[in-house]
Parts: sequence; C-alpha cells; structure tokens
Amino acid sequence: DVKVTQSSRYLVKRTGEKVFLECVQDMDHENMFWYRQDPGLGLRLIYFSYDVKMKEKGDIPEGYSVSREKKERFSLILESASTNQTSMYLCASSTNRGGDYGYTFGSGTRLTVV
Amino acid sequence: QKEVEQNSGPLSVPEGAIASLNCTYSDRGSQSFFWYRQYSGKSPELIMFIYSNGDKEDGRFTAQLNKASQYVSLLIRDSQPSDSATYLCAVRRDYKLSFGAGTTVTVRA
Repeated sequence: DVKVTQSSRYLVKRTGEKVFLECVQDMDHENMFWYRQDPGLGLRLIYFSYDVKMKEKGDIPEGYSVSREKKERFSLILESASTNQTSMYLCASSTNRGGDYGYTFGSGTRLTVV
Repeated sequence: QKEVEQNSGPLSVPEGAIASLNCTYSDRGSQSFFWYRQYSGKSPELIMFIYSNGDKEDGRFTAQLNKASQYVSLLIRDSQPSDSATYLCAVRRDYKLSFGAGTTVTVRA
C-alpha cells in the first residue's frame, strides 16, 4: 500500500526552538509538498520539491526552510519557532507518471508552539 | 479573489439524499481537478479527479466540470452517515494543487 509517513503525530515546542518535521514516502514519487492547514484558511502550500535537491517556495514560505537530500525524504524546518506557526502540517507526494498528479497525504503533524 | 472557492457549509442532508457540493476557481490554466474527503482529525484522501468537461462517475460519487464557467461540482448519491466529513476541492496547475477551504457535510440518520 502506498505510504507517506510523517515522523510525529503531535509535537509541542517552545518559542525560538529549531524544529524539524520529517516526511518519507515509499512510492518513488518525484514530487513532494509541505502544507499547513488552519481552520477557515484551508491548506496553504509552504514549499515543494520536484526532484532531489530541488526546492521551490510556495505561498507562505516565510519562517520555513526545507531539505531534500534523498528522493524519498522531504524535511520541513522551522528556523525559530513562533506561536503563529502552531498548526497542522501535512506532507504530500505525487508522481508525474500516470497523468493525474493527485497527491497522497501523510497523516499530519499537529505542532503546538508555546 | 481566492484561487479556489467553496461554500463552507455546513451542508446537512438526510440519509439517502443527494449531497451537492460546488467549487469555483480563478485560474483558467488549471489542468485537472480533484475532490478530497477529510474526516475530523485525519488527513485528506482522494475521492476522484476530473480533467475533461462533463461528468465522471465513480460509485455513488459524480464529479462535474465546466471549464467555461470555471466550475466543478461533486454529487454524492444515497448519502450515508459515513459520508459526514469535510470535502476539499483542489485544482492543479503544473505540479501544484491549490485547495479550497472545504465544505463540511453532515448526513443525518
């Protein structure tokens, strides 16, 4: 079965901490994405990557960075966590093969910054 | 103007009825269109996608696309309590999907 795995389901971090969110997919997908989801705002794209070592800014990249050293792993980094980064973070992957480009999502990480 | 707009709901329908969800999008270059279902506390799961004008049916679900009107809809026939969820419309341009805020559907027994 197709899998996108996010390393933590729940995280609580302190303001100013550096936070790493990990995402691994086992489907040999080329494209990987990080979104955050907030009530009333829907899913907003933070960063995405369409190849190893490639990254592109999404709609809300400020305060975040990413790393993709291997095809299967895409990490989101909060350089200095702030309370307005409290959110649900969703990783997704997709493939250019097959034509539909639909995403498969991970189970999400609910991050609370205190 | 938001890129993808949906009625937020909630939409309440009796069991066995048809639930109708609507979505409009602003980018005429959008290439394909998706409906995701998200249960409370869970991540979105793909229901179906459509890329040509007209209807596409999959079981109890029918997606409809009208590119001229920039409109996508989802019909859920014979609604069941298990269909109670938030439904997200998404549109694709190149690699990326843009999502609407979702419509919450409640199916009452």
